[in-house]
Amino acid sequence: EAQVTQNPRYLITVTGKKLTVTCSQNMNHEYMSWYRQDPGLGLRQIYYSMNVEVTDKGDVPEGYKVSRKEKRNFPLILESPSPNQTSLYFCASRPRRDREKLFFGSGTQLSVL
Amino acid sequence: AQRVTQPEKLLSVFKGAPVELKCNYSYSGSPELFWYVQYSRQRLQLLLRHISRESIKGFTADLNKGETSFHLKKPFAQEEDSAMYYCALFYNQGGKLIFGQGTELSVKP
Repeated sequence: EAQVTQNPRYLITVTGKKLTVTCSQNMNHEYMSWYRQDPGLGLRQIYYSMNVEVTDKGDVPEGYKVSRKEKRNFPLILESPSPNQTSLYFCASRPRRDREKLFFGSGTQLSVL
Repeated sequence: AQRVTQPEKLLSVFKGAPVELKCNYSYSGSPELFWYVQYSRQRLQLLLRHISRESIKGFTADLNKGETSFHLKKPFAQEEDSAMYYCALFYNQGGKLIFGQGTELSVKP
C-alpha cells in the first residue's frame, strides 16, 4: 500500500531537548516536504526536498533542520525545541513532476513544555 | 509576495444549500492552484486542481485571473462535506507550496 509514514504520532517533550520526527515513503517519490499546522494560520511549509541531498527552505524554517540522505526518508530535526514549536506536523511526498500526487502523512502532534 | 487568502474561517450552511468557499491569491507568474480537504484532523487529500477542470464530489472551481480568485463551489451541500478546506498555490518550479488559512465548512441537517 502506498503511504507516507510519520513517527511518532504524538510527542510531548521539554524545552531544549533535541528531537527527531521521522518521515518515510514507499512510493519512490523524489519530492518530500514538511508542514506545520496551527489554528487560524493553516499549513505553512517548513522545508522541502526535490531529491536526495537537495533541500530548500520553505516559509518557516527557523528552528528546524532536515536531511535527505536517502530517497525514502526525510526526517525533521528540532535541535532545541521551544514552546512556539508546539504544533501539528505533516510530511508529504510526490513524484517530482506531478503536483497532483502529493500524499500526506497522518501527522505528528508535538507539544513542547 | 506570494499569498493565498481565504477570508472566511467558518462557513455554515444547511444541507441542500449552495456552497461557495472563497480563495484569492497574489502571484506574479502563472498560478498553479489546488484545493485540499481535511476531514476531522485527518491527513489532507487533494480535492481539485485548476488545470484538470473536473468535478470531484460535486465540487468545481474556476480560476479567474482577472480577479485573482479560485473559489470552490458546490450546488447542493451534503453533511459529509463538513471538513476543513484549504486553497493552495504551488510556485518556484513546484517546490514551494503555500496554503490559505483554511475555511471550516459545517453542513447542518
